Amino acid sequence: EVQLLESGGGLVQPGGSLRLSCAASGFTFSIYAMSWVRQAPGEGLEWVSTVTADGNITYYADSVKGRFTISRDNSKNTLSLQITSLTTEDTAVYFCARHDYSGCYDFWGQGILVTVSS
Amino acid sequence: EIVLTQSPATLSLSPGERATLSCRASQSVTTYLAWYQQKPGQAPRLLISDASNRATGIPGRFSGSGSGTDFTLTISSLEPEDFAVYYCKQRSDWPRTFGQGTKVEMK
Repeated sequence: EVQLLESGGGLVQPGGSLRLSCAASGFTFSIYAMSWVRQAPGEGLEWVSTVTADGNITYYADSVKGRFTISRDNSKNTLSLQITSLTTEDTAVYFCARHDYSGCYDFWGQGILVTVSS
Repeated sequence: EIVLTQSPATLSLSPGERATLSCRASQSVTTYLAWYQQKPGQAPRLLISDASNRATGIPGRFSGSGSGTDFTLTISSLEPEDFAVYYCKQRSDWPRTFGQGTKVEMK
């Protein structure tokens, strides 16, 4: 059974940093591209970042470029998102998601809440 | 950035009725458009990929159509579990973008 389990969220002050993790199991992690998608409270979905299966190519939304870093450790089946210089606009539930063959997100984690507040 | 505009924002229907949701792209995405369903407190679920391909396990009452800039998600006969928010998303270009969502609510 495919499982994606996010961790690392919580309350952080503006300007602070967090590292989100997504533990993958039930599939061959190293052959799938992965993404982070977020959802602010009461709002829609926003794509944040994508990393290719080998970790060599990354993509970012303009809203997070230069502040967020996506990475993966295929030996540990783990996807990460290092988030820095946080603002209140980054308050959201962050989902990790697996790409299927067509680049769509066929499996999602349950999400982890990041709250940026003083 | 490709902007996806979904309409209507809210659709009020009864079980058994047909739901027609629209997604319009600001420029052509060919058929690189997907539809997702999200229920409160849950992660989104992939329904349709590449405009018209039902994802694994998705019931036949869900269908997608369209190409270029205009796309439609149709639910032929609403079941109680179909009342949710639906998002379209394009993978034609970076950055990937989602529509703002259509809420299908029970009338």
